[in-house]
Amino acid sequence: AQSVAQPEDQVNVAEGNPLTVKCTYSVSGNPYLFWYVQYPNRGLQFLLKYITGDNLVKGSYGFEAEFNKSQTSFHLKKPSALVSDSALYFCAVRDTNAGKSTFGDGTTLTVKP
Amino acid sequence: DAGVIQSPRHEVTEMGQEVTLRCKPISGHDYLFWYRQTMMRGLELLIYFNNNVPIDDSGMPEDRFSAKMPNASFSTLKIQPSEPRDSAVYFCASSFREFTGELFFGEGSRLTVL
Repeated sequence: AQSVAQPEDQVNVAEGNPLTVKCTYSVSGNPYLFWYVQYPNRGLQFLLKYITGDNLVKGSYGFEAEFNKSQTSFHLKKPSALVSDSALYFCAVRDTNAGKSTFGDGTTLTVKP
Repeated sequence: DAGVIQSPRHEVTEMGQEVTLRCKPISGHDYLFWYRQTMMRGLELLIYFNNNVPIDDSGMPEDRFSAKMPNASFSTLKIQPSEPRDSAVYFCASSFREFTGELFFGEGSRLTVL
């Protein structure tokens, strides 16, 4: 069975500071990892994914994530946070043994001016 | 492309009534997923289709829920009879690859059952 953990319900950062939203996963096969963002009253939007290759993945809006196989982590990062980055962020995993994605519980990111 | 289109965006109904939610996936996407989002349970996968065929419906909560995909451009999720605990936001998503493709979500249908 596959699972995803987002250990922080809430992350607060000041505008201009770096941000990290944490994600760890468990799969039986090879992991395919995704980050999505959800703004209020909207559907989830894809940010970035790791399938294979370079462990550092760059995505939309200046976000990046680092795949760490030994720590089974896929943390989302951004060097300089914007107030407009405030939203709910979801990590998701698929493995080669399952066609469906498993989502974490989400982390609310609040960026203060 | 217009993206994944869901209707209605909001639905308020009374307990016992039938509810039908609709979804039009992105053209060319072979996979369609129905999710439910609540504060208590987060994002739950209800069912997903590949080429209009249901692949995994293990997340459908009970027999009151049913989903169909009569063709590649249309899917429905039906709740009959509805109950207050069915109140949630229901999302439809589509994807063009089973494992490596990201999901494209609709804007959701917010269901309130009184």
